[in-house]
Amino acid sequence: QSALTQPASVSGSPGQSITISCTGTSSYVGTYNLVSWYQQHPGKAPKLMIYEDSKRPSGVSNRLSGSKSGNMASLTISGLQAEDEADYYCCSYAGSSSHVVFGGGTKLTVL
Amino acid sequence: QVQLVESGGGLVKPGGSLRLSCAASGFTFSDYYMTWIRQAPGKGLECVSYFSGSGSIIHYADSVKGRFTISRDNAKNSLYLQMNSLRVEDTAVYYCARVLLSTVQRYHYYHMDVWGRGTTVTVSS
Repeated sequence: QSALTQPASVSGSPGQSITISCTGTSSYVGTYNLVSWYQQHPGKAPKLMIYEDSKRPSGVSNRLSGSKSGNMASLTISGLQAEDEADYYCCSYAGSSSHVVFGGGTKLTVL
Repeated sequence: QVQLVESGGGLVKPGGSLRLSCAASGFTFSDYYMTWIRQAPGKGLECVSYFSGSGSIIHYADSVKGRFTISRDNAKNSLYLQMNSLRVEDTAVYYCARVLLSTVQRYHYYHMDVWGRGTTVTVSS
């Protein structure tokens, strides 16, 4: 069981928006624990999509956005495209224990 | 360009050992934390270990503590993972990644911005 909880799967049609949630205790998804999100296509390495809760690395589509409220972080993808179909993982660092934790991953299907 | 290339994976029997390597290029290796992340077949991501650029901070997941040893050679821009007493459950793709980690005014910053392609470790009799 992962320290961060994500839905196993979400789906949406092209052009729609979806949101993936990531919940955890305050030790992992609190005010002071900044969450990152990774996209992974089958057989490929993960790719950083969001860091520090809501920042996008250079080159990542602005259709992706991140947010956090209380003990829940969220990744929203708007204007869904076929290329968005992948697994998405949230990640956080618990400074007190030095542990790095991931969510169990969410499989996004573009219908 | 910035690149990480893992090597050293393979098939090993339970109880055996393996040493993974990660060659870095395109950035000042010693300035960064580095980490090993693994992914068992059909499963999610797990942080195995990370190592600060200066060498003063090392962390292991509980699942590998006492069996795995992370090391780095900043002169060779390389990261290593010595894996001993391997178990079937260590079977996974092992990724090397560059980490940005800091704690500033109680805020814990952590993310991995560059990843290698991974190397596969299979532990089986």
